[in-house]
Amino acid sequence: DSGVTQTPKHLITATGQRVTLRCSPRSGDLSVYWYQQSLDQGLQFLIQYYNGEERAKGNILERFSAQQFPDLHSELNLSSLELGDSALYFCASSVVVSSPTDTQYFGPGTRLTVL
Amino acid sequence: SQQGEEDPQALSIQEGENATMNCSYKTSINNLQWYRQNSGRGLVHLILIRSNEREKHSGRLRVTLDTSKKSSSLLITASRAADTASYFCATGDSGYALNFGKGTSLLVTP
Repeated sequence: DSGVTQTPKHLITATGQRVTLRCSPRSGDLSVYWYQQSLDQGLQFLIQYYNGEERAKGNILERFSAQQFPDLHSELNLSSLELGDSALYFCASSVVVSSPTDTQYFGPGTRLTVL
Repeated sequence: SQQGEEDPQALSIQEGENATMNCSYKTSINNLQWYRQNSGRGLVHLILIRSNEREKHSGRLRVTLDTSKKSSSLLITASRAADTASYFCATGDSGYALNFGKGTSLLVTP
């Protein structure tokens, strides 16, 4: 158990809908990262937050957005869902953002299925 | 975009044998990390090696890094059925996101 929690575990929804994925980082970790894992694209970095502020952006679609709240939990919002958005979405956390050598601890993931 | 590329894509061995997986990457890095993923579950951090290190050990794991060849290897000694999983290398550059390869699928049979 990494200490990172994600809810829900599974999500099944229809095209065009909007969903929110939630992540709670390990106690004491200020940095949260979101990743998407799909069969064709592999594991892709989406976005990073540090202490409530966006720090880095990866291959995140405009239909997707995220935020980190004062209690450090984070939410990833996916809207106008398409079939291709079906994937495993992982949240990871690390202590600080100042060191690129920080280990990232991953949550169990949310499996999103868009029908 | 993918940075690391693992080789082989799949590996099947028997319990007790050693498993070696390789990772190649393209640009300069600050560190390289190996993760394990059991069948569609979360990623478990195994080991991190910094760009100024050449070899690192952790239990039955041995990681090497050759920055001149932009490659790393993960050796699992005396493998067990519980080692069956996908193994990913991930590189960290001057940013903070990890760039993952597509992974090596390891099957260890009793």
